[in-house]
Amino acid sequence: EVQLVESGGGLVQPGGSLRLSCAASGFTFSDHYMDWVRQPPGKGLEWVGRSRDKTKSYTTEYAASVKGRFTISRDDSRNSLYLQMNSLKTEDTAVYYCTRVNITPRDPVDWGQGTLVTVSS
Amino acid sequence: QAGLTQPPSVSKGLRQTATLTCTGNSNNVGNQGAAWLQQHQGHPPKLLSYRDNNRPSGISERFSASRSGNTASLTITGLQPEDEADYYCSTWDSSLSVVVFGGGTKLTVL
Repeated sequence: EVQLVESGGGLVQPGGSLRLSCAASGFTFSDHYMDWVRQPPGKGLEWVGRSRDKTKSYTTEYAASVKGRFTISRDDSRNSLYLQMNSLKTEDTAVYYCTRVNITPRDPVDWGQGTLVTVSS
Repeated sequence: QAGLTQPPSVSKGLRQTATLTCTGNSNNVGNQGAAWLQQHQGHPPKLLSYRDNNRPSGISERFSASRSGNTASLTITGLQPEDEADYYCSTWDSSLSVVVFGGGTKLTVL
């Protein structure tokens, strides 16, 4: 059974930093692209970014709204995905989901329960 | 970055059929198709259909997806109370190199 468990959320002041983690199990982590998706309270889903697998040199892509502030990384030896968030803004307040991307077609097939990040003074 | 367009809400009666739409452009829905996700209040989204219109294992045959040009559709037959949820479409935009989501459609089953 696929499991994705996010951690690291919490309350942070504007301009601050936070690092989210996603522990994966139940599948061969190294074979999959992984995405972060967020959802502000009461609003829709917003893609944050993607980590490709080793065959694609672990390249990353980001949404324009977080590019230059957020960094996605992964550790295949620990089956873990990370999201380093810097220069946080109030509009980054959201539940952050870790998702497993299907090999083909590349759609978000499994989702974690999410972790809440609140950016407020 | 531009997202996909979904109607904010759709209401249908019990046991009726609902068709939800998702409109993009030739760089996303038009050449990739769209995946569909269901989200109940307080829960993470669940994938109902891949962008190639196939269903993941365990998803009911009452959910079927299709595409015509730049518009993708999700048809839900025999509506049940548990189908009341938010529905999102999603795909890859090959021009922007990003994943795009629709704004979501809230389905109410009367």
